[in-house]
Amino acid sequence: AQSVTQPDIHITVSEGASLELRCNYSYGATPYLFWYVQSPGQGLQLLLKYFSGDTLVQGIKGFEAEFKRSQSSFNLRKPSVHWSDAAEYFCAVGGGGSSGDKLTFGTGTRLAVRP
Amino acid sequence: SQTIHQWPATLVQPVGSPLSLECTVEGTSNPNLYWYRQAAGRGLQLLFYSVGIGQISSEVPQNLSASRPQDRQFILSSKKLLLSDSGFYLCAMIPLPDYEQYFGPGTRLTVT
Repeated sequence: AQSVTQPDIHITVSEGASLELRCNYSYGATPYLFWYVQSPGQGLQLLLKYFSGDTLVQGIKGFEAEFKRSQSSFNLRKPSVHWSDAAEYFCAVGGGGSSGDKLTFGTGTRLAVRP
Repeated sequence: SQTIHQWPATLVQPVGSPLSLECTVEGTSNPNLYWYRQAAGRGLQLLFYSVGIGQISSEVPQNLSASRPQDRQFILSSKKLLLSDSGFYLCAMIPLPDYEQYFGPGTRLTVT
């Protein structure tokens, strides 16, 4: 069965500091990996995705993530955090199938940004 | 571009009352559709998904049900709500042949 672990429930960083959110997955085949962001009371917005190819993927809002197969990880990074990045971040894994594909989400990491 | 609408945005219902949440999508045909629930402080739990009209798969046995009467309409229902049904309900779709899930704005349900 597929699973996702986000070991950090809460993270606080200062504005302008770098950020890394951890994500470890378990999946029996080649995974499709995603990072979503959710602002309070809102739906989820896709930040970036990895399907194949270059293991370093760029997303929106200056985020990037690196797929490391040997470590079963897909950590999200941003070199300089902005106050508007405060939100909850979810990592997800799926099989990429075109019929009824289901994503498994981590429990999320809530990011707070100090001024 | 694809758009997902959810109605209502907020709902307060007493225990034992019925429920109907609606999700409609625009800008695509024959999408895969999904209902998730997000409880406070927890991740997203997949409740139902549908690959076509009238085709519903249930992920978690509970007192909720789902229906897809039209290609771009997905409804989440209950005959009698429980306190534990409170949460944030999100509708999502995959506009085939993409593999990305897009989410609606959500419905906040409070059962009192």
